[in-house]
Amino acid sequence: TQLLEQSPQFLSIQEGENLTVYCNSSSVFSSLQWYRQEPGEGPVLLVTVVTGGEVKKLKRLTFQFGDARKDSSLHITAAQPGDTGLYLCAGEKAGSNYKLTFGKGTLLTVNP
Amino acid sequence: NAGVMQNPRHLVRRRGQEARLRCSPMKGHSHVYWYRQLPEEGLKFMVYLQKENIIDESGMPKERFSAEFPKEGPSILRIQQVVRGDSAAYFCASSRTAGDTQYFGPGTRLTVL
Repeated sequence: TQLLEQSPQFLSIQEGENLTVYCNSSSVFSSLQWYRQEPGEGPVLLVTVVTGGEVKKLKRLTFQFGDARKDSSLHITAAQPGDTGLYLCAGEKAGSNYKLTFGKGTLLTVNP
Repeated sequence: NAGVMQNPRHLVRRRGQEARLRCSPMKGHSHVYWYRQLPEEGLKFMVYLQKENIIDESGMPKERFSAEFPKEGPSILRIQQVVRGDSAAYFCASSRTAGDTQYFGPGTRLTVL
């Protein structure tokens, strides 16, 4: 059983389109991180959200943490080929010794 | 300011050999976490160490796997008598303090023939 479910698993869109990817769980997390991973590299942190209902913006990327701190979404506006990559969400549960639980990721391809 | 460093980046071993993976945390970071990424799977936590101490090894297989983070030098993840199922990408992350942001290294891709 995957603790964090990400959807969709694969997404292929044209440059300029908008998209949203989701990260859902039945568990409550004290914080949730979004990472982007490129082939052959390690995950690179994009954002951390800690408060239920929190919205953070990073240029064309908007991250939202659900009110109950069980889910999150990442919205990209006017996607560009440079946005191509594997987007991972990872949650930290209270009392878990700070270990991160990862979803399987959404593989995004933005075609020129 | 160098990031987390891992070596080797690629490691090939035959079944039954030993694999040693090294992780040098970011400067000033004393907390190290090891994760494993199997094909088609998400990253899975293995072990959390602070200098000279194992804090949480709940994700480590019971046999053949061990980890250390000595007072001096890098953290080492050691896999004895490797099997084909150990083939994966192994990532380490470091943080300055407990609960602080974890920064990941580029990973070591282990292939067991």
